[in-house]
Amino acid sequence: DQQVKQNSPSLSVQEGRISILNCDYTNSMFDYFLWYKKYPAEGPTFLISISSIKDKNEDGRFTVFLNKSAKHLSLHIVPSQPGDSAVYFCAASAGNQFYFGTGTSLTVIP
Amino acid sequence: EPEVTQTPSHQVTQMGQEVILRCVPISNHLYFYWYRQILGQKVEFLVSFYNNEISEKSEIFDDQFSVERPDGSNFTLKIRSTKLEDSAMYFCASNPDASEGYTFGSGTRLTVV
Repeated sequence: DQQVKQNSPSLSVQEGRISILNCDYTNSMFDYFLWYKKYPAEGPTFLISISSIKDKNEDGRFTVFLNKSAKHLSLHIVPSQPGDSAVYFCAASAGNQFYFGTGTSLTVIP
Repeated sequence: EPEVTQTPSHQVTQMGQEVILRCVPISNHLYFYWYRQILGQKVEFLVSFYNNEISEKSEIFDDQFSVERPDGSNFTLKIRSTKLEDSAMYFCASNPDASEGYTFGSGTRLTVV
């Protein structure tokens, strides 16, 4: 039972354009959401988070949007850079345990 | 910047053998976790640990698995009798508060042959 879904396994974007990564969840009890970035052979790196009391959180080039009614969150990267090429995981929690999506592999083309 | 350190980076073991994966969480963090990722699949939660005891564990974390914080710095994951399907990347993580984002280690690749 996959409670967090990332339906796009891969995404290619031109350098300088916007990257939009999407994530859907099923559990309405989730109240905290995170995005992680993962390079090959490394552990996931925390990127940005949002709690359910907010609908937007911004950190530099990264913005996370939360639509609770649609149980959907997205990560926007503007402008995209080649160094952003990695696998992006969204994760959600309703307590001490996080549920991860399967990841979206982002390729930023120079 | 503080890091979560995992050793070894790669471990090869024979089926049925015991393995211990080691982690040194960030020193002022109180919550510790093990996750794993089987090649090509999603990152899966194994166990969380707080105040010297397991606070949550998943169905994956059966009697073959155990965790320990033997001293003030190390956090270990033991697999008693490894199976081929235990082959995966194992990530240790910690955070200062359960509601905050994690700091992950770089992982240990476990290969069971």
